[in-house]
Amino acid sequence: GAGVSQTPSNKVTEKGKYVELRCDPISGHTALYWYRQSLGQGPEFLIYFQGTGAADDSGLPNDRFFAVRPEGSVSTLKIQRTERGDSAVYLCASSAIGGQAGYRYTFGSGTRLTVV
Amino acid sequence: DQQVKQNSPSLSVQEGRISILNCDYTNSMFDYFLWYKKYPAEGPTFLISISSIKDKNEDGRFTVFLNKSAKHLSLHIVPSQPGDSAVYFCAASEGGNEKLTFGTGTRLTIIP
Repeated sequence: GAGVSQTPSNKVTEKGKYVELRCDPISGHTALYWYRQSLGQGPEFLIYFQGTGAADDSGLPNDRFFAVRPEGSVSTLKIQRTERGDSAVYLCASSAIGGQAGYRYTFGSGTRLTVV
Repeated sequence: DQQVKQNSPSLSVQEGRISILNCDYTNSMFDYFLWYKKYPAEGPTFLISISSIKDKNEDGRFTVFLNKSAKHLSLHIVPSQPGDSAVYFCAASEGGNEKLTFGTGTRLTIIP
C-alpha cells in the first residue's frame, strides 16, 4: 500500500483481556518499529524488527507485551492481561533501509487502545 | 529520566512571522536529531534532520540548528503558515541505533 496501515484504529477492551494490534508496513520496507504514545507524552520506543527478527526489543515494558513479524512484512503487537495503564496510542512505523535514512520513519495513524 | 526535553508545551505565532521551537537533550551520546510534525489523528511525519557533525541544516522554510556544547537544538520556520499548526516532536538517536528517543512535543498554533 501507499502508507503504513494500522488496524483497528480504535480498540476498547476490558481489563485482563488479550488484544492484538496489526501493522501493515509500506511494501518493501525491511525495518518496522512499534512505539507507544501516552497522553501528553512523546512516542516511546517498544520494539524494532529488521526483516523477520526483533533486532531490539528493549522497550517492551514487561512480558505481557510481545510482537511478531513472521514473514518480514505484517507485524502484530500482542498484549496479554491488559491493564488500564496500557491505554495509549500504539504507533507503527516502517523504513526502507538502515543508517541515517532509516530514521526517517513513515508512521501509521496508530491504534488508540483504551482499557476499561 | 527524560533524555529529550521540549519545555514549551505550546507556542502561538502570527502568520508570516518566525516560529522557533526548542529542544534540549541530556545524553551526550546522541549523534543524530530529527523533527517530526503531527496532525491530530495522524502519525508523526518526518520534517528535517541534522547530524552531530553539522550545526545547521536547511530545507526550504525549515532550518534546524544544533548547539552540541549546550545540548540544544532548535527548529526555525519562516515564514510561518496556517498549515504549520501542528504538534512538533524533537527526536534523537545514538551511535547508529535505530531507536529514537522523542521529546514530549510542542503544539504550534499559527494565528492568521
